[in-house]
Amino acid sequence: KQEVTQIPAALSVPEGENLVLNCSFTDSAIYNLQWFRQDPGKGLTSLLLIQSSQREQTSGRLNASLDKSSGRSTLYIAASQPGDSATYLCAVDTGGFKTIFGAGTRLFVKA
Amino acid sequence: DGGITQSPKYLFRKEGQNVTLSCEQNLNHDAMYWYRQDPGQGLRLIYYSQIVNDFQKGDIAEGYSVSREKKESFPLTVTSAQKNPTAFYLCASSFGRGYEQYFGPGTRLTVT
Repeated sequence: KQEVTQIPAALSVPEGENLVLNCSFTDSAIYNLQWFRQDPGKGLTSLLLIQSSQREQTSGRLNASLDKSSGRSTLYIAASQPGDSATYLCAVDTGGFKTIFGAGTRLFVKA
Repeated sequence: DGGITQSPKYLFRKEGQNVTLSCEQNLNHDAMYWYRQDPGQGLRLIYYSQIVNDFQKGDIAEGYSVSREKKESFPLTVTSAQKNPTAFYLCASSFGRGYEQYFGPGTRLTVT
């Protein structure tokens, strides 16, 4: 059974710092992996989608990597800003329309 | 503007009452999903639909029902059989299997 874990559960950094959020999954047979951002009380906003055949995806200050063999993905945020404060979730598509979500990392960027 | 709408934003019900949450999309997506989010937990799949007039149970379907009569609409009914219905409910859609999922703003349901 696929399980997705995100560590740490919460992270506080000063503005301008580069940071890495981690996501691990137990079964390497994945279809794709998606990173989302969620602001308090809101829906999820898609940040990056990495297909199983890809190693990384980039969008602006965000870079996501995928290592299926080790069951890990990282989301790198460059030059963090207070507006980046949110909960970041990773989600693994196991095929067949079922997606397994991690519990998220709550990020706080201090001005 | 293309997107997914959910209504209402907040919903309050008494125990024992059925309640229906609305989800509409104008992205021309074939697939639609319902998730439940509880504090400190990841999203859990309730139901999904690949195409009109077809839907499948997710991991926590007990106490919920859905319909998919139109491509744009995927309403979720929370029945009185759902033992712990208070939660944040999120609807999503995608072009199909393996495509990016897009989410609505969510409905917070409180049952007392």
